[in-house]
Amino acid sequence: ETGVTQTPRHLVMGMTNKKSLKCEQHLGHNAMYWYKQSAKKPLELMFVYNFKEQTENNSVPSRFSPECPNSSHLFLHLHTLQPEDSALYLCASSQDHQLSGANVLTFGAGSRLTVL
Amino acid sequence: AQKVTQAQTEISVVEKEDVTLDCVYETRDTTYYLFWYKQPPSGELVFLIRRNSFDEQNEISGRYSWNFQKSTSSFNFTITASQVVDSAVYFCALKGIGSGTASKLTFGTGTRLQVTL
Repeated sequence: ETGVTQTPRHLVMGMTNKKSLKCEQHLGHNAMYWYKQSAKKPLELMFVYNFKEQTENNSVPSRFSPECPNSSHLFLHLHTLQPEDSALYLCASSQDHQLSGANVLTFGAGSRLTVL
Repeated sequence: AQKVTQAQTEISVVEKEDVTLDCVYETRDTTYYLFWYKQPPSGELVFLIRRNSFDEQNEISGRYSWNFQKSTSSFNFTITASQVVDSAVYFCALKGIGSGTASKLTFGTGTRLQVTL
């Protein structure tokens, strides 16, 4: 496989459920990202990992918990979500996350989450 | 603070028409990068172009062309002779060079382009 792969593509969960989103990249990149895409709003950066270390947490509620066991895998653990958390969650990767760089992000197709 | 404005929410054109997608940005950085991404119905954002703030040359790639004007803080995208396969949501994005929030990639809200036969 090539590129960035996200699973599951669709997820429906209740507010008391615990679920996880998975992202895998086969590009040899060292930085991975979670973005949230809601209708009619700009993409919101949630988390950034660079060389497996979390470098940014964009004031994301604790009901979202990221995990990056290695540079190729990124998870987003979900717990006691709210209906307003329903959105498309996009994973991306880039060569690295230098502050002075302008790295191009490669995105996955997203996981469409619906919270009932 | 950085900001990217894509005032056109939705555009509908007939195949073979030319269409321009507008992008206006705000930044205090003197060095920055501008991007366009395409999001087809399949969901993934696909990179189209990156331009740095020192390079104001317009660029053409096949049916796509980009007009970067620093004086008006705009980075507009034109599709010539549009095709149905061009139907997608197009995002303009900005990344400043510096620390803190300026280093983040800021996206606009996107323009949905519908090309019909």
